[in-house]
Amino acid sequence: KQEVTQIPAALSVPEGENLVLNCSFTDSAIYNLQWFRQDPGKGLTSLLLIQSSQREQTSGRLNASLDKSSGRSTLYIAASQPGDSATYLCAVGDDYKLSFGAGTTVTVRA
Amino acid sequence: EAGVVQSPRYKIIEKKQPVAFWCNPISGHNTLYWYLQNLGQGPELLIRYENEEAVDDSQLPKDRFSAERLKGVDSTLKIQPAELGDSAVYLCASSSQGGTTRPDTQYFGPGTRLTVL
Repeated sequence: KQEVTQIPAALSVPEGENLVLNCSFTDSAIYNLQWFRQDPGKGLTSLLLIQSSQREQTSGRLNASLDKSSGRSTLYIAASQPGDSATYLCAVGDDYKLSFGAGTTVTVRA
Repeated sequence: EAGVVQSPRYKIIEKKQPVAFWCNPISGHNTLYWYLQNLGQGPELLIRYENEEAVDDSQLPKDRFSAERLKGVDSTLKIQPAELGDSAVYLCASSSQGGTTRPDTQYFGPGTRLTVL
């Protein structure tokens, strides 16, 4: 069974600082990895999807890397803003199924 | 384009009562998922539909949970009878698999927050 771990569980930074969120998984035989954002009381919004053959994906201030052999992915958010405050979840795709981590709750202080 | 629609958004019931959740996926998405999310945890898959067929219901507690997706569009998830431990957020998601075997980007609804008293 795929186990997905996200560290840290919570993170608080001042506005403008870069964010680094970590995700690790136990089974490297994956098809893809996705990063989601979840705001309180709302559903999940997909941020980035990295196919297993890719090393990274970028979208605006977001950059996600994937090291499948070591079972790790990192989400970088540059120049954080208060609007980036949310919970960020990592999900590993095995065939049709997504296995989620518990998330990292980010607070960006103005 | 409208997103995934779920109703109700909140539901409070007493234990042993039945409850039902409804989901309308994004138009044209043939794959529909129901997830359970406990507080402080990531979502866990309950059931996956390809059109009207439940192709993965291995994590669905079939003694009290049931689901259907008539005509391959809307879906309903039911719990009968509800237990205290069923208090959680129930999320619906949809995707357009396009015949591939890889999980494509899933689009999530806002969820239904269930409280069982």
